[in-house]
Amino acid sequence: AQSVSQHNHHVILSEAASLELGCNYSYGGTVNLFWYVQYPGQHLQLLLKYFSGDPLVKGIKGFEAEFIKSKFSFNLRKPSVQWSDTAEYFCAVIPRFKAAGNKLTFGGGTRVLVKP
Amino acid sequence: EAGVAQSPRYKIIEKRQSVAFWCNPISGHATLYWYQQILGQGPKLLIQFQNNGVVDDSQLPKDRFSAERLKGVDSTLKIQPAKLEDSAVYLCASSLGRSSLAKNIQYFGAGTRLSVL
Repeated sequence: AQSVSQHNHHVILSEAASLELGCNYSYGGTVNLFWYVQYPGQHLQLLLKYFSGDPLVKGIKGFEAEFIKSKFSFNLRKPSVQWSDTAEYFCAVIPRFKAAGNKLTFGGGTRVLVKP
Repeated sequence: EAGVAQSPRYKIIEKRQSVAFWCNPISGHATLYWYQQILGQGPKLLIQFQNNGVVDDSQLPKDRFSAERLKGVDSTLKIQPAKLEDSAVYLCASSLGRSSLAKNIQYFGAGTRLSVL
């Protein structure tokens, strides 16, 4: 069964620091990749997605992610974080074959705390 | 555009009691999903509906969990009887459900936090 691993459970950093969250998945075929974010007290929101094309994708709020197929990775980055980026971040994968339906497999999440 | 609505937001019950959660998806979304999110973990799919038919319920504990989407719109998820390990946030999501991948983005509700004592 496919799985998604997020390397860090908790990250603490100061405002203006750079952020990189790791995500690896264990599926050998073509995949759709997602990062979702959950701000305190709010619902899960889509941050960015990759379906095909340019492996460097840009999302909302200055976030970007790079798909590296050879490494089965889809790492999330932001050059300079703000206090408002405090949230939990989830990487998710959908294998792109018909039998997979639209079933999202999530990583365990990374809690990011940005200190003012 | 209204988002995915869920109720109640919180529920506390004792073990062996029953509980039901309600979800109203985004208007026009054919596909509806129920996820279970245990504290410290990512969401895990329990069941997926396409209109009022079940697409995937392979991870639904069918001895105690049931779900329905009778008219292809609202859905209810029921647990009967509840166990301590059912304490979690139950998330509902919906998507357009079309064949185009770009239109299959899942939008999530705020969830129902269940505590089983």
